[in-house]
Amino acid sequence: DAGVIQSPRHEVTEMGQEVTLRCKPISGHDYLFWYRQTMMRGLELLIYFNNNVPIDDSGMPEDRFSAKMPNASFSTLKIQPSEPRDSAVYFCASSRGRRGRNIQYFGAGTRLSVL
Amino acid sequence: GENVEQHPSTLSVQEGDSAVIKCTYSDSASNYFPWYKQELGKRPQLIIDIRSNVGEKKDQRIAVTLNKTAKHFSLHITETQPEDSAVYFCAASMRSGGGADGLTFGKGTHLIIQP
Repeated sequence: DAGVIQSPRHEVTEMGQEVTLRCKPISGHDYLFWYRQTMMRGLELLIYFNNNVPIDDSGMPEDRFSAKMPNASFSTLKIQPSEPRDSAVYFCASSRGRRGRNIQYFGAGTRLSVL
Repeated sequence: GENVEQHPSTLSVQEGDSAVIKCTYSDSASNYFPWYKQELGKRPQLIIDIRSNVGEKKDQRIAVTLNKTAKHFSLHITETQPEDSAVYFCAASMRSGGGADGLTFGKGTHLIIQP
């Protein structure tokens, strides 16, 4: 298996622009998680899905952030409009919750810089 | 919500010595405690995990202990090697009904192995 795949790996944009981050989970995994990592706040859970349904979005910082999972093999995290404080590394992770240990496998991350 | 405290933030040990990293959690309902290792610029990777029905788990040079009463758990690395240098994160989550839950991470420990 190729693991969790995220794109793009790096994104540089200007304040006010829309940013879309993409994630393909490991095939057969029924949970998908979005995390954000910064020096100040560490690794934070933003939102997670089970069987494509959002379960907990309490970590989404503002209405500017939205996430979707239209099918079992694809999810997006969108920021509109972007702000410099959104600069961070965004990780997607997936796990097989049922009968599993909730081992979460992380993608390589998207490093976002908002100028 | 859950809060995970991790100490120390930086740990420097001589190669061959042992390293211990400690974490505390606040939510007594948490029942799954993984440890992740993150090398510079890379994704977090699971190195060991423990569930609340187990007090200790060992995998070669790595061991984790859990004290549910005190709500703390620790990572022990013996015979440290240069490749152990990285940032280590503890985390906690609740798995209800066999499903998965998002992880709450500690702030991380930068482990430095001195040659």
